[in-house]
Amino acid sequence: QKEVEQNSGPLSVPEGAIASLNCTYSDRGSQSFFWYRQYSGKSPELIMFIYSNGDKEDGRFTAQLNKASQYVSLLIRDSQPSDSATYLCAVNGRAGGTSYGKLTFGQGTILTVHP
Amino acid sequence: DGGITQSPKYLFRKEGQNVTLSCEQNLNHDAMYWYRQDPGQGLRLIYYSQIVNDFQKGDIAEGYSVSREKKESFPLTVTSAQKNPTAFYLCATRTGNSNQPQHFGDGTRLSIL
Repeated sequence: QKEVEQNSGPLSVPEGAIASLNCTYSDRGSQSFFWYRQYSGKSPELIMFIYSNGDKEDGRFTAQLNKASQYVSLLIRDSQPSDSATYLCAVNGRAGGTSYGKLTFGQGTILTVHP
Repeated sequence: DGGITQSPKYLFRKEGQNVTLSCEQNLNHDAMYWYRQDPGQGLRLIYYSQIVNDFQKGDIAEGYSVSREKKESFPLTVTSAQKNPTAFYLCATRTGNSNQPQHFGDGTRLSIL
């Protein structure tokens, strides 16, 4: 099992729909979780980060974390063509462990929002 | 202008040649990281440094070397021992505790001539 796994894409949604991006992780002790957006040929940019179970909302974006199920998701409401990009999930190593402060990235999910 | 500056944007390496990628930041961030991204892949950690004069290997350190003599600078050398260096190289920084997010520079694309 990969340490951080994202749902296989590509994901295609119509403009105005909700896009749902999913990520599972293997280290139950992980405490911080990040979503990055990467446009083609560009570097990743941070969209959201979440530490606690439940939902965290920022504009059209909602991050959801369920530590018991080792699952983190990103919802994009009212999707726009400008949201078309690769979305990377990243998980921090557990506190006190050798991986603390190091992020492990999933392979990314390509999202296409069509007009 | 504050931020993370990576240079050059594009770099070409000849066989047997060492090349150095620059990463400079004026954000006063303590931690700096180097990642490699191959087409269609996520990011893989090469080296990281949490304080000046100290750095640790990441998951794919073989064929690479780094230094951290100044807080602002964390150069990455791709040595001739790295047999497949063609990739997109990304530098990131982080402030505060280790749960804080990392922020990325614009990257350097390295290709083999």
